[in-house]
Amino acid sequence: SQTIHQWPATLVQPVGSPLSLECTVEGTSNPNLYWYRQAAGRGLQLLFYSVGIGQISSEVPQNLSASRPQDRQFILSSKKLLLSDSGFYLCAGGTSGRETQYFGPGTRLLVL
Amino acid sequence: GNSVTQMEGPVTLSEEAFLTINCTYTATGYPSLFWYVQYPGEGLQLLLKATKADDKGSNKGFEATYRKETTSFHLEKGSVQVSDSAVYFCALSALSGGYNKLIFGAGTRLAVHP
Repeated sequence: SQTIHQWPATLVQPVGSPLSLECTVEGTSNPNLYWYRQAAGRGLQLLFYSVGIGQISSEVPQNLSASRPQDRQFILSSKKLLLSDSGFYLCAGGTSGRETQYFGPGTRLLVL
Repeated sequence: GNSVTQMEGPVTLSEEAFLTINCTYTATGYPSLFWYVQYPGEGLQLLLKATKADDKGSNKGFEATYRKETTSFHLEKGSVQVSDSAVYFCALSALSGGYNKLIFGAGTRLAVHP
């Protein structure tokens, strides 16, 4: 199985500041990668997914963007954070052709 | 479209009680079904899965059976422990745009008291 690493674990940022969250994957090559957001007390919303380097698909229009500069690296970014960007961000990885996704420990983002 | 509906929480039980968390789904085709668990402050961990009708997934004393006729995948455990306190998510896998997309229910919080 894969191991998903995320950092930082917690982040407090002012409104209007930039954001960069990083996710790296161990244990597999050419994984499918995903960014989810979990608002407080709610379920998971898929934000972005990637099937390869430089290939990003967005599920919902929003203030965030994603990039995949290397096979096992997935980055979530924003140029200017909004209050509504607060939440718990989870990175997940899956093997192409297989359905199970493995999740990282998450980053808790608080925008003030 | 595809969707997952879970029973609303929180579910509060005493230690050693029997647990059932209901999950029903709507899907085209025959999706795989999953239960994930999220302990406080952590990411999601795969608990169990089933890939076809009548399959039973099991792990750590938890079980769920893929019931095609009732489109359900209820999670059960015979005797819960305090350490089982967590949020449980039911999910289905749907092929979308060439990749497998997980669709999650809203989650059910379980609190187990000594």
